[in-house]
Amino acid sequence: DGGITQSPKYLFRKEGQNVTLSCEQNLNHDAMYWYRQDPGQGLRLIYYSQIVNDFQKGDIAEGYSVSREKKESFPLTVTSAQKNPTAFYLCASSNRGYSYEQYFGPGTRLTVT
Amino acid sequence: AQRVTQPEKLLSVFKGAPVELKCNYSYSGSPELFWYVQYSRQRLQLLLRHISRESIKGFTADLNKGETSFHLKKPFAQEEDSAMYYCALIKNTGNQFYFGTGTSLTVIP
Repeated sequence: DGGITQSPKYLFRKEGQNVTLSCEQNLNHDAMYWYRQDPGQGLRLIYYSQIVNDFQKGDIAEGYSVSREKKESFPLTVTSAQKNPTAFYLCASSNRGYSYEQYFGPGTRLTVT
Repeated sequence: AQRVTQPEKLLSVFKGAPVELKCNYSYSGSPELFWYVQYSRQRLQLLLRHISRESIKGFTADLNKGETSFHLKKPFAQEEDSAMYYCALIKNTGNQFYFGTGTSLTVIP
């Protein structure tokens, strides 16, 4: 373990508030990813970034935003526009390019009430 | 469109019995397929990938393009194999992974 960290482990927010989840890696990986994990639905891609200052939407980007100002950091903001924000969020990184293994963080469980 | 299908949410086998976790995919090109595993209280991690054609912890998986399947197999299940298993696909045109919904494997002592 180690190499890719997410904080905090648990996060609680009131409805209507934006919240930012942290993801940091020291693996010198170019690519970083955010997934959402819900029971019975597997992992769904929210956003990914293959290089600094560039990112692409995944399958469920609505209500989320990201930035990639530094190679080692890829924070995810869950906005008030996300209709169902309570979930387990996983960050991953990999070397850029086809077929490289993804390394996952420990995850952040977000609860919005 | 569902690109990766794992039909079994839960699978229980006895220790020493063979185990097969099913994975089917839909993609017309040449994908690369992976199996990821998440043990209790551990991170999601790569188990094996089809391009390596290797056996990891006794598990193997063969890509069957005709049946568009990538089933994970082990001849003799061990208790430590109990975990959540995800099949994943990456298209040969990009860097985006598609994961299945996962199969929770329980090996009964």
